[in-house]
Amino acid sequence: GEDVEQSLFLSVREGDSSVINCTYTDSSSTYLYWYKQEPGAGLQLLTYIFSNMDMKQDQRLTVLLNKKDKHLSLRIADTQTGDSAIYFCAERDFGNEKLTFGTGTRLTIIP
Amino acid sequence: KAGVTQTPRYLIKTRGQQVTLSCSPISGHRSVSWYQQTPGQGLQFLFEYFSETQRNKGNFPGRFSGRQFSNSRSEMNVSTLELGDSALYLCASSTLYEQYFGPGTRLTVT
Repeated sequence: GEDVEQSLFLSVREGDSSVINCTYTDSSSTYLYWYKQEPGAGLQLLTYIFSNMDMKQDQRLTVLLNKKDKHLSLRIADTQTGDSAIYFCAERDFGNEKLTFGTGTRLTIIP
Repeated sequence: KAGVTQTPRYLIKTRGQQVTLSCSPISGHRSVSWYQQTPGQGLQFLFEYFSETQRNKGNFPGRFSGRQFSNSRSEMNVSTLELGDSALYLCASSTLYEQYFGPGTRLTVT
């Protein structure tokens, strides 16, 4: 079955880059997503990547996909206090709307 | 464009009661999915509706049900509430590749 794993916590100094990692087991995963959740809020879609891509960049966000190792990462450049949140990776198969989420990584910014 | 809206935002119910949650998707989106978020189990898929038909269902008991109306609005119902049903219930509406989530309904069962 599908399984998506993330480390639970990450602390980064303001201005540094944050790298949040995720591994997944389902080799048929076609779409891979990153969501951000702030306290008391829903999930905000940050970015997504297709499984036939290696990298996607969107302003301060860079997504890297290593399909062979089933490893996905999200790099946030110049991390700011507003980036403090829980970040979820999720995978989805082609033709299926169901998202399978990781446990979430809580990103803490150190001033 | 307005985002996904969910009502009510907060709800307190007693064990054994039933509850109905509502979700209005982004205009033009025909697929609506529901998820349950708890500290212990994380984010879990409940079901997905497209054009008033349930296309996919997660591993939840039959007490959890849903429906979708012709205007794509969706409701989910939980009957015979248990303490373990306390959670944040999130609704998402989808385009071909993207799922956008609403703010959620926080259900507390006492």
